[in-house]
Amino acid sequence: GNSVTQMEGPVTLSEEAFLTINCTYTATGYPSLFWYVQYPGEGLQLLLKATKADDKGSNKGFEATYRKETTSFHLEKGSVQVSDSAVYFCALSASGTGFQKLVFGTGTRLLVSP
Amino acid sequence: KAGVTQTPRYLIKTRGQQVTLSCSPISGHRSVSWYQQTPGQGLQFLFEYFSETQRNKGNFPGRFSGRQFSNSRSEMNVSTLELGDSALYLCASSGHRTDEPEKLFFGSGTQLSVL
Repeated sequence: GNSVTQMEGPVTLSEEAFLTINCTYTATGYPSLFWYVQYPGEGLQLLLKATKADDKGSNKGFEATYRKETTSFHLEKGSVQVSDSAVYFCALSASGTGFQKLVFGTGTRLLVSP
Repeated sequence: KAGVTQTPRYLIKTRGQQVTLSCSPISGHRSVSWYQQTPGQGLQFLFEYFSETQRNKGNFPGRFSGRQFSNSRSEMNVSTLELGDSALYLCASSGHRTDEPEKLFFGSGTQLSVL
């Protein structure tokens, strides 16, 4: 079946440090891949997406590249801010399901200190 | 426009009780999905409704049920609560029938604690 594996957190960084959160997936067919962010007390927000191999999704300084050969979609940011502290979820959506079912990873908490 | 609204925000119940959670989607949205979020399991899909019909269901026991009304508001019910049902329950709405997860909008969730 389809699954997503994320690195366990928390990830603790100082402001302006480089961020990488690893995500790998298992899926049949050609899924679309997503990163969602959940700030404290809020619901999930779509951060970025990629729908095919070698696509790069980007938003708010975050980037992730769809790597089919390594089945990975690692999230990166060159310089994190305190306001980036949140839980980040990697997710996939299997094509052809006909409805909006997302398969999520377990989430990685990011803590950024000043 | 107003976002996805979930009520109540927090709920405390005891084992064996039942609970009903409510979700009001964004105006005009006809699809509502429910997810359970726990620290150990992350987010798991419960079910999805479109135009009052359940289109798909995740791997949860029959104690978990839902429904959608003609105004697209949705409720989910959990009967005979167990300690393991303690979780954040998230609702997401979409105006699109096709498989476009990027058009899902999530509510802030209902935090259920079972004592």
